[in-house]
Amino acid sequence: AQSVTQPDIHITVSEGASLELRCNYSYGATPYLFWYVQSPGQGLQLLLKYFSGDTLVQGIKGFEAEFKRSQSSFNLRKPSVHWSDAAEYFCAVGAGRTYKYIFGTGTRLKVLA
Amino acid sequence: SAVISQKPSRDICQRGTSLTIQCQVDSQVTMMFWYRQQPGQSLTLIATANQGSEATYESGFVIDKFPISRPNLTFSTLTVSNMSPEDSSIYLCSVESGQGAYGDTQYFGPGTRLTVL
Repeated sequence: AQSVTQPDIHITVSEGASLELRCNYSYGATPYLFWYVQSPGQGLQLLLKYFSGDTLVQGIKGFEAEFKRSQSSFNLRKPSVHWSDAAEYFCAVGAGRTYKYIFGTGTRLKVLA
Repeated sequence: SAVISQKPSRDICQRGTSLTIQCQVDSQVTMMFWYRQQPGQSLTLIATANQGSEATYESGFVIDKFPISRPNLTFSTLTVSNMSPEDSSIYLCSVESGQGAYGDTQYFGPGTRLTVL
């Protein structure tokens, strides 16, 4: 069965520091992968997505993610974190010939001034 | 991307009552989805709603508890019936960006935060 794992429940970084949020998936074919961000009291905003092609994907707000098939990973990165990046981040995989998304449990990011 | 609104944004309800949540999209979309996000947890798909057909429910969700309407291509409602405190969650609707092809991107509404006393 398809699954998504985000190993880190909470991450704290200082403003200006680099960030990497981990996402591992289990899926039998090439997955469609997504990162969403949820700010407090808000819905989910799409940061970036991977369907095919270049394995390094650029998104909004300075985020990027790299698809590594050999490691079944799709980690999210940002070179310099801003205080406004404090939020919860969800990785999701598009599950097969359906429209279902499977979401990870989320990583809550705290940014120290 | 589609602009999605939900009403109400939040509500506090009594046990045993029902609440209908509305989802409005600024463009016509084929696929709409309803998710539940329980406190501190991830999103779980409740059902998929296509215009003109019955909603398709995921395992663990039934129509009697979560009836869904999809009267046109820009609007859907989710009703949470006979509520209990366990129904306290954020309910989100989402839409697919494309023509329903495999892997189309989903965009989410702001959510409805429901508290059941």
